[in-house]
Amino acid sequence: DTAVSQTPKYLVTQMGNDKSIKCEQNLGHDTMYWYKQDSKKFLKIMFSYNNKELIINETVPNRFSPKSPDKAHLNLHINSLELGDSAVYFCASSHLHGYRKGLYTEAFFGQGTRLTVV
Amino acid sequence: DAKTTQPNSMESNEEEPVHLPCNHSTISGTDYIHWYRQLPSQGPEYVIHGLTSNVNNRMASLAIAEDRKSSTLILHRATLRDAAVYYCILKKADDKIIFGKGTRLHILP
Repeated sequence: DTAVSQTPKYLVTQMGNDKSIKCEQNLGHDTMYWYKQDSKKFLKIMFSYNNKELIINETVPNRFSPKSPDKAHLNLHINSLELGDSAVYFCASSHLHGYRKGLYTEAFFGQGTRLTVV
Repeated sequence: DAKTTQPNSMESNEEEPVHLPCNHSTISGTDYIHWYRQLPSQGPEYVIHGLTSNVNNRMASLAIAEDRKSSTLILHRATLRDAAVYYCILKKADDKIIFGKGTRLHILP
């Protein structure tokens, strides 16, 4: 079973469209993240949710809106897509407070969604 | 956030040990040293982490300097599948992972 799964794997869309990327984890983790990897391969954190609550919101345009219906899911919705949004988006999960509970704290990442805006 | 410094790229021969260095001179007492790697066209994956003592797992070993200002990730016998970007990351216990540029490791057959 895939620990962190993202759909779709590839997404090609036109400028101005609205699109969503879905992420699910079956690890029982309490925290989920979205990262963006641009063409220069630099990985940058965008958002983090702990127990369905937003805890990290880096400097990201408000066209990006994460939604966490439950602890196992963190979806990313993007409005009015722009050319510069083209990148690979990675979802990840972890036990944020695992150290306190003696749990492993490493993050598990999905395979990524390659978004191309044309 | 405390910073790490890694070489941009390294090369190693297949089936030989690889030592990937990381400098972190501004590390604080509560920073853990984590290593992740990203294989081509895949998401990052956890490799190993430690605080003060050297650590071993099935993937690699982590050697931490006594003053904790540097560390070395050791792949004991590199294979072609170990070709990846390796990230050395300082992270407090309940903190997010912030990636730097990493070291691109090339394995020569």
